[in-house]
Amino acid sequence: DIQLTQSPSFLSASVGDRVNITCRAGQVISSLLAWYRQKPGKAPELLIYGASTLQTGVPSRFSGSGSGTDFTLTISNLQPEDFASYYCQQLMTSPCNFGQGTKLEI
Amino acid sequence: QVQVVESGGGLVRPGGSLRLSCSASGFIFSDYYMSWIRQAPGKGLEWVSYISRDSRYTNYADSVKGRFTISRDNAKNSVDLYIKRLRVEDTAVYYCARVGEGAAAGAGDYWGQGTQVTVSS
Repeated sequence: DIQLTQSPSFLSASVGDRVNITCRAGQVISSLLAWYRQKPGKAPELLIYGASTLQTGVPSRFSGSGSGTDFTLTISNLQPEDFASYYCQQLMTSPCNFGQGTKLEI
Repeated sequence: QVQVVESGGGLVRPGGSLRLSCSASGFIFSDYYMSWIRQAPGKGLEWVSYISRDSRYTNYADSVKGRFTISRDNAKNSVDLYIKRLRVEDTAVYYCARVGEGAAAGAGDYWGQGTQVTVSS
């Protein structure tokens, strides 16, 4: 199985800030990585796939980068609805594991 | 618009069984893989299972293999997850998700709101 390690696990920020969340894969996964946002009590929503492609309808303040084993989700100009949990998921091979998550708090 | 709706969750005793259902609309159901993902209380996301467009291929997480069975009915636009020999550690919200195609292959691009499964005596 391919393990994913996200960092940090918790992140404190303010409205308007720019933050980075990283995801490291235990082996090379090319660009086969997705990012999700999960607001409290809600289902996850797809933000980015292919490591850097924004899902339709997702605001441009979200961006993704990286390939191989190291990936980054960047959120610019944080909005109140962005204070949530974020997960990466590798799509290289089954099981399509998720990272352990990053909770973004005010 | 695309909609995915889960049902069938509830309180079950350890060792019991349950069938979760997922109803989809707003897209050509038979063109997409479907998957189930779960989230234990206060924990992260755990991929559980997927099924191919024509039911030919299925796959399961090691933690559920042999106890969970995924199936689909393309005529009814539905996918089920049958769970037997339930364990306390199966307690979670179970989400059904459409699996993306093309560049988004493998990603859950539309998710339901989830259905709660609680295993307790």
